[in-house]
Amino acid sequence: DAGITQSPRHKVTETGTPVTLRCHQTENHRYMYWYRQDPGHGLRLIHYSYGVKDTDKGEVSDGYSVSRSKTEDFLLTLESATSSQTSVYFCAISRQGRADTQYFGPGTRLTVL
Amino acid sequence: GENVEQHPSTLSVQEGDSAVIKCTYSDSASNYFPWYKQELGKRPQLIIDIRSNVGEKKDQRIAVTLNKTAKHFSLHITETQPEDSAVYFCAADINNNDMRFGAGTRLTVKP
Repeated sequence: DAGITQSPRHKVTETGTPVTLRCHQTENHRYMYWYRQDPGHGLRLIHYSYGVKDTDKGEVSDGYSVSRSKTEDFLLTLESATSSQTSVYFCAISRQGRADTQYFGPGTRLTVL
Repeated sequence: GENVEQHPSTLSVQEGDSAVIKCTYSDSASNYFPWYKQELGKRPQLIIDIRSNVGEKKDQRIAVTLNKTAKHFSLHITETQPEDSAVYFCAADINNNDMRFGAGTRLTVKP
């Protein structure tokens, strides 16, 4: 597996609380992505980054923000968690952007009560 | 918006038979079509990919075909084995840096 870790791996939180998920890579890849995975929907892109401090929205970005202050770290923040954000979150990395292979992290299972 | 449709959602085959999963996409500018395998509780892992300048690619028991005119691509697994049981996702690159995934196919290979 590519050098990608996610933390925490599991989290249970309450509605209305802020939550931050971390993705860390040791591959020095330029692009990083956050996806959520829900039954029947496959993987849906939340936000992605194409360099330090450079980020853009994906398909399902409402309620989420991201930050990338270092090449190796990409943070996903749920500013006020809702039950609809209960999901499995995957980080991915790629050397280049469009049309390049993405490698996934191990995932974070988030439950919002 | 741009979409990737994947069929079937579930597929059950006998060990040794072939399995075929099909995907269609809507963005005519898509050029990259990966396939991922995801075992229960694990991360998606790339098993094969194809780019728009070729029509077919094979890797041992796995092959992918692409028809750009019809905007569809397919995954073919021959001589299936129980360890092929997993969820398979197709994907296509769209827009700037977006990868759109199909909803997945749960493949069960019965011994």
